[in-house]
Amino acid sequence: EVQLVESGGGLVQPGGSLRLSCAASGFTFSSYWMSWVRQAPGKGLEWVANIKQDGSEKYYVDSVKGRFTISRDNAKNSLYLQMNSLRAEDTAVYYCARARFVVPAAGQYYFDYWGQGTLVTVSS
Amino acid sequence: DIQMTQSPSSLSASVGDRVTITCRASQSISSYLNWYQQKPGKAPKLLIYAASSLQSGVPSRFSGSGSGTDFTLTISSLQPEDFATYYCQQRRSFGQGTKLEIK
Repeated sequence: EVQLVESGGGLVQPGGSLRLSCAASGFTFSSYWMSWVRQAPGKGLEWVANIKQDGSEKYYVDSVKGRFTISRDNAKNSLYLQMNSLRAEDTAVYYCARARFVVPAAGQYYFDYWGQGTLVTVSS
Repeated sequence: DIQMTQSPSSLSASVGDRVTITCRASQSISSYLNWYQQKPGKAPKLLIYAASSLQSGVPSRFSGSGSGTDFTLTISSLQPEDFATYYCQQRRSFGQGTKLEIK
């Protein structure tokens, strides 16, 4: 059974840092692109970042570029999101999701498994 | 990035109703459109991928259609457990969501 379990969320002051983790099990973690998707309270879904199987390619939404870093450790079946210079607008539930490509050459994918999410609150 | 626009933003319906939700892309995306269901306090769940392919384990009352810029998610006969928020997605872009409520 595929499982994704996030951890590391919490309350942090503006300008602070937090590192989220996602522990994966039930599939060959090193074979999949992985993503972070967030959802602000009462709002819709927003893609945050993607990382390739071997970590050689990473992509970010413009609003977090230069502040957030996605990474992975395939030996530990784990995905991470290092979040620095946090802002109030980063307050959200952060989901780890597995990306499944429909057409790899066209960069078209969907998210077939999601974790339960971890809440990040940025407030003084 | 391509923008995804869903309509309506909210919808009231009754158990047994047939419901259709629409998603429009700002430019052609062929058939690369996916649909998710999200219940309060829960993670999104994949329903449909590549416009019309039903994800394993999803009831057959859910179906998807469309290509190019216009897509639809149809629930043929609403069940109590279907009241939720639905999102479309193409690559990095999500629609704003459609909240399906009980009439």
